[in-house]
Amino acid sequence: DAKTTQPTSMDCAEGRAANLPCNHSTISGNEYVYWYRQIHSQGPQYIIHGLKNNETNEMASLIITEDRKSSTLILPHATLRDTAVYYCIVRVVGQGAQKLVFGQGTRLTINP
Amino acid sequence: DAGVTQSPTHLIKTRGQHVTLRCSPISGHKSVSWYQQVLGQGPQFIFQYYEKEERGRGNFPDRFSARQFPNYSSELNVNALLLGDSALYLCASSLTNLGAWETQYFGPGTRLLVL
Repeated sequence: DAKTTQPTSMDCAEGRAANLPCNHSTISGNEYVYWYRQIHSQGPQYIIHGLKNNETNEMASLIITEDRKSSTLILPHATLRDTAVYYCIVRVVGQGAQKLVFGQGTRLTINP
Repeated sequence: DAGVTQSPTHLIKTRGQHVTLRCSPISGHKSVSWYQQVLGQGPQFIFQYYEKEERGRGNFPDRFSARQFPNYSSELNVNALLLGDSALYLCASSLTNLGAWETQYFGPGTRLLVL
């Protein structure tokens, strides 16, 4: 499975855009980039995913570089409730199973 | 619409005991996956079931087993509990397991403490 690298922690001021980077230099052509977040002791919450085009939904935007070796999750107007651990995951289907391989994630703290 | 539900929410067991955790997927979803999350780490894949068959298994001992029922709900069983099995056990569901574009949605988890 392709490995992802994320900063351990980041801070952002409330109301500003939070930009969370992720490196996935070994990604293959059929592997999707997924982002989840986990607020303390809760189940991971799906945010967004993409293959090679930039994506936007009501929660966030996902910018994937042209070579697909890195991506950035953008929370346009961060609030205190966005404080969480954010996981960047490269999702692959293989051997009949689908699995999400989580790393350590980025602990994002939104400051008032 | 109800999301993924799991029961119980919390559980305390002693070493050597057996535990059964339950998961109901989102209505219409036929695939269920189980993950273990030890404190301070990201979730780790245990099993995936689709159409009542095991489709994938992570690097966990045979003490861990699971099954999926005709209504697509699932049970995770852990025998001979060890202290190291203390963790948050997460269930995730998706429509099928046919494509990497299919999103998995997680339940709130069951927190297991082994004493």
